[in-house]
Amino acid sequence: DTGVSQDPRHKITKRGQNVTFRCDPISEHNRLYWYRQTLGQGPEFLTYFQNEAQLEKSRLLSDRFSAERPKGSFSTLEIQRTEQGDSAMYLCASSSNPRDRNRDTQYFGPGTRLTVL
Amino acid sequence: AQSVSQHNHHVILSEAASLELGCNYSYGGTVNLFWYVQYPGQHLQLLLKYFSGDPLVKGIKGFEAEFIKSKFSFNLRKPSVQWSDTAEYFCAAVTGGGNKLTFGTGTQLKVEL
Repeated sequence: DTGVSQDPRHKITKRGQNVTFRCDPISEHNRLYWYRQTLGQGPEFLTYFQNEAQLEKSRLLSDRFSAERPKGSFSTLEIQRTEQGDSAMYLCASSSNPRDRNRDTQYFGPGTRLTVL
Repeated sequence: AQSVSQHNHHVILSEAASLELGCNYSYGGTVNLFWYVQYPGQHLQLLLKYFSGDPLVKGIKGFEAEFIKSKFSFNLRKPSVQWSDTAEYFCAAVTGGGNKLTFGTGTQLKVEL
């Protein structure tokens, strides 16, 4: 169990550029989540996958944001035409799908810190 | 919409003092509750969790939390804190059999020697 990994750890970009982040979940975890955390706040849910299916998206996920998990393993989060308000820590979490889905526990990666200049 | 509140934003304690961090949630149905901790420079780690059964749950590093349904609370406690407990603590909930975590705003704990 190597934990959830995210790449890159830091990204600085100019307003209007596109950025893409990658998340590798704990192996054999079939649920994957993206959250966003800004300074002084707790993480906020963005979207969730079970295997390759994106099952839920937050209203926070504007049409400039897209997430994929093509083979049900790693996931990417792309932000198009970045804005300064997109500056935040983007967190990925994964969980397994136990027989009792009401006992699901999410494990977090180190995050990608995005700075939009 | 469900929400999680943490009323203590910053707490400063001396080593060996007792700790209690408040957490309240707003949801009337089934709820799963979690405390996560983020040490300086590290990622979010699970401290403890409550799904059902005994309302007093024990986690890692001597932490415990008590689920009080009538008060919609899940306060975190530790009888004697250490300098190494300096971190930010987040309470979170999953409600109604869903999947997403709803987090509180976090409590920054500083333990002084």
